[in-house]
Amino acid sequence: AQSVTQLDSQVPVFEEAPVELRCNYSSSVSVYLFWYVQYPNQGLQLLLKYLSGSTLVKGINGFEAEFNKSQTSFHLRKPSVHISDTAEYFCAVSDRGGSYIPTFGRGTSLIVHP
Amino acid sequence: NAGVTQTPKFQVLKTGQSMTLQCAQDMNHNSMYWYRQDPGMGLRLIYYSASEGTTDKGEVPNGYNVSRLNKREFSLRLESAAPSQTSVYFCASRGSGTGWNYGYTFGSGTRLTVV
Repeated sequence: AQSVTQLDSQVPVFEEAPVELRCNYSSSVSVYLFWYVQYPNQGLQLLLKYLSGSTLVKGINGFEAEFNKSQTSFHLRKPSVHISDTAEYFCAVSDRGGSYIPTFGRGTSLIVHP
Repeated sequence: NAGVTQTPKFQVLKTGQSMTLQCAQDMNHNSMYWYRQDPGMGLRLIYYSASEGTTDKGEVPNGYNVSRLNKREFSLRLESAAPSQTSVYFCASRGSGTGWNYGYTFGSGTRLTVV
């Protein structure tokens, strides 16, 4: 079984400041890792993913995430946030074979203040 | 634009009423999924269909039924709605094979209130 823990339910930050959204996972098998973003009243969109190779992955809108196998973490970062980044962010993990069904974390609400 | 279409977008039901949530995708994806989203709970899988003709239970299937009508359509039915089923429901699909980006495509959701 796999699980995902998003350590912060809400992260307030000022515009142009850096931000990190934390995600830890547990799994007995090798996994794929994802971050999804949900803007108000919309569905989820894939932000970035780690499948293999380089542990630093870059996604859309200037976000990046680093896979740390020893700490079982996949934290999401952005060096300078914009008001439009205000959204709910979900970390997800799925197994590498078989169903590929992701398990989602409970979400982190990123609130960017002017 | 290609994607996942859900209908209706909003619905209010009385306890005990039934309804079907519709989902259709036009990306020729084999697998389709129904999730519910509740505050502070993230997304929880209700049912999924790995391919046309198959369906399987997810984490929270009680009170729901599904039908994979064809490759494009996957419906979710509430036979006797309960207030605990008040939630936002998302349909998703995923591709497979060459070119698949390992991500899921989500619909924009159905906001259901059971009173």
